[in-house]
Amino acid sequence: GAVVSQHPSRVICKSGTSVKIECRSLDFQATTMFWYRQFPKQSLMLMATSNEGSKATYEQGVEKDKFLINHASLTLSTLTVTSAHPEDSSFYICSASRQGAIKLYGYTFGSGTRLTVV
Amino acid sequence: DAKTTQPPSMDCAEGRAANLPCNHSTISGNEYVYWYRQIHSQGPQYIIHGLKNNETNEMASLIITEDRKSSTLILPHATLRDTAVYYCIVRPASGGSYIPTFGRGTSLIVHP
Repeated sequence: GAVVSQHPSRVICKSGTSVKIECRSLDFQATTMFWYRQFPKQSLMLMATSNEGSKATYEQGVEKDKFLINHASLTLSTLTVTSAHPEDSSFYICSASRQGAIKLYGYTFGSGTRLTVV
Repeated sequence: DAKTTQPPSMDCAEGRAANLPCNHSTISGNEYVYWYRQIHSQGPQYIIHGLKNNETNEMASLIITEDRKSSTLILPHATLRDTAVYYCIVRPASGGSYIPTFGRGTSLIVHP
């Protein structure tokens, strides 16, 4: 199978501070990972596509300077929420696909990170 | 992308079969139907996928109509742990640059 590990699962931070969320593909290499945000009772909304070794591609309306994405290796992508505010409180989820196994497994998702900004 | 339409909510008694419909009337010939589910406060979990034929695995069965314009996910013996939001997605077979996008899904509540 394809396993994606996301850490931390839950974080509380003060307004104005930064928070880093890690997404790791444990048993496969992922050249592309995706970051989603989910508000209560809503569906997953794609924030950005993280490409190994290059800049991330952000969806319209997502501030690239606020949500910093780094994909420095084939198994790790990080999302840093900078200068967090209460409206950034949300459930953040990453996803990756195993090359050559999309047809078998589709996309694998991390367990999500619940961010609360106080 | 072909879009999908699902009922916003359904409920089912524990031990009974849960049949979740999905309409994808604009699906094209090379697009697969994928189903995921999301249990509260967790990431989505892959369930099953298919192209034309019906599929079955240890989690569920997928019935795709002959014209491929709709499908039904069947949980044969629903348990309380199957309470989740179920998402139906269509995606091209090549998949190289495809980005998985989610609609509102169906919120399934399994009750005792």
